[in-house]
Amino acid sequence: AQSVTQLGSHVSVSEGALVLLRCNYSSSVPPYLFWYVQYPNQGLQLLLKYTTGATLVKGINGFEAEFKKSETSFHLTKPSAHMSDAAEYFCAVSEAGGTSYGKLTFGQGTILTVHP
Amino acid sequence: DTEVTQTPKHLVMGMTNKKSLKCEQHMGHRAMYWYKQKAKKPPELMFVYSYEKLSINESVPSRFSPECPNSSLLNLHLHALQPEDSALYLCASSQVDRDGEKLFFGSGTQLSVL
Repeated sequence: AQSVTQLGSHVSVSEGALVLLRCNYSSSVPPYLFWYVQYPNQGLQLLLKYTTGATLVKGINGFEAEFKKSETSFHLTKPSAHMSDAAEYFCAVSEAGGTSYGKLTFGQGTILTVHP
Repeated sequence: DTEVTQTPKHLVMGMTNKKSLKCEQHMGHRAMYWYKQKAKKPPELMFVYSYEKLSINESVPSRFSPECPNSSLLNLHLHALQPEDSALYLCASSQVDRDGEKLFFGSGTQLSVL
């Protein structure tokens, strides 16, 4: 069984400040990990994913995340927040080697607010 | 074309109505999915189709009936829904490339059941 915990349902930062969204996972098998962003009344867009290999993963829009197996974490960061980053962010996990990445387990989501 | 297109964008229906949600992709993806997302909640998987065959049904009530008429289309037929079924219904498709599998989501259909 897998689960995802996102610490903080709301995160507020100033424009230009560091963005840090926290995600911890639980999985009985090696996980594949994902971050998605959702703008209001929109579907989800993949920001980045970790499957195997390099544990620091770079995604779109300047975001990156680091897989830390010892901490069972996959936190999302961006050095400098932009107003357009305001959205809801979901961390998700699926089983490595599974037949379908579509069978994702999502965290509860973190709403990011960016202040001018 | 890198889009998953869902229609309609909004739907209001009564509990005795029959309606259908449609999803279309022309990316050649052979796996397609329905997710349900309640307000302020994460998406929850409902169904998975692989090569036009239903491969996963996450114990969804029979008032939701999926259909995959061909590799580009996915429908969700709705009948006798309840107000608690009001939600954003998201369609997705996936492809496998050298980086692994990637999931593409549509913008969703916002469903209100009165």
